[in-house]
Amino acid sequence: KNEVEQSPQNLTAQEGEFITINCSYSVGISALHWLQQHPGGGIVSLFMLSSGKKKHGRLIATINIQEKHSSLHITASHPRDSAVYICAVENNTDKLIFGTGTRLQVFP
Amino acid sequence: KAGVTQTPRYLIKTRGQQVTLSCSPISGHRSVSWYQQTPGQGLQFLFEYFSETQRNKGNFPGRFSGRQFSNSRSEMNVSTLELGDSALYLCASSSLAGGLPDTQYFGPGTRLTVL
Repeated sequence: KNEVEQSPQNLTAQEGEFITINCSYSVGISALHWLQQHPGGGIVSLFMLSSGKKKHGRLIATINIQEKHSSLHITASHPRDSAVYICAVENNTDKLIFGTGTRLQVFP
Repeated sequence: KAGVTQTPRYLIKTRGQQVTLSCSPISGHRSVSWYQQTPGQGLQFLFEYFSETQRNKGNFPGRFSGRQFSNSRSEMNVSTLELGDSALYLCASSSLAGGLPDTQYFGPGTRLTVL
């Protein structure tokens, strides 16, 4: 079993829909990251969380430390949001452990 | 502030050769981490350097090595290349101020193809 599990693996949506991507982990962590990877490989760090909730534009990330779960929400999705979204946790030795990613396609 | 830069962006090598990839972190960042991304394995952690010292290492064979210079620039070397080493190699830097976890900033990656 992977230490970081993401769901769903693939997600398609119509433009404007509200999207949720989930991440569950089984190890002790000091922080959790949400990353976005566009075709071609470039990775952008979206959020780093250690508690609570963060918001940036149409993106919202939440984390529940007790339940070892985080969600990434995209409001009013747009085709340019199409990408792979990766959850990664920093364990207690500051090593990053990655989930396998969620491939999102948003159609106009 | 300039972002993380990696050179070269694309590289083609043959089996048995060796390769050196370079990463320049964001100015002021002292931590540099390297990752390998392949379609089958996803993103895997290679190693992390901080102040010229390797602090963490992933589960990769000894053919994969790295180093960090006094200006925080880092190089990664892969010797005796195998077909399975074909991947996107990503470098990320963070400030790690006070030893606390910090946001990682990724470079664009070096796409290595081994023929």
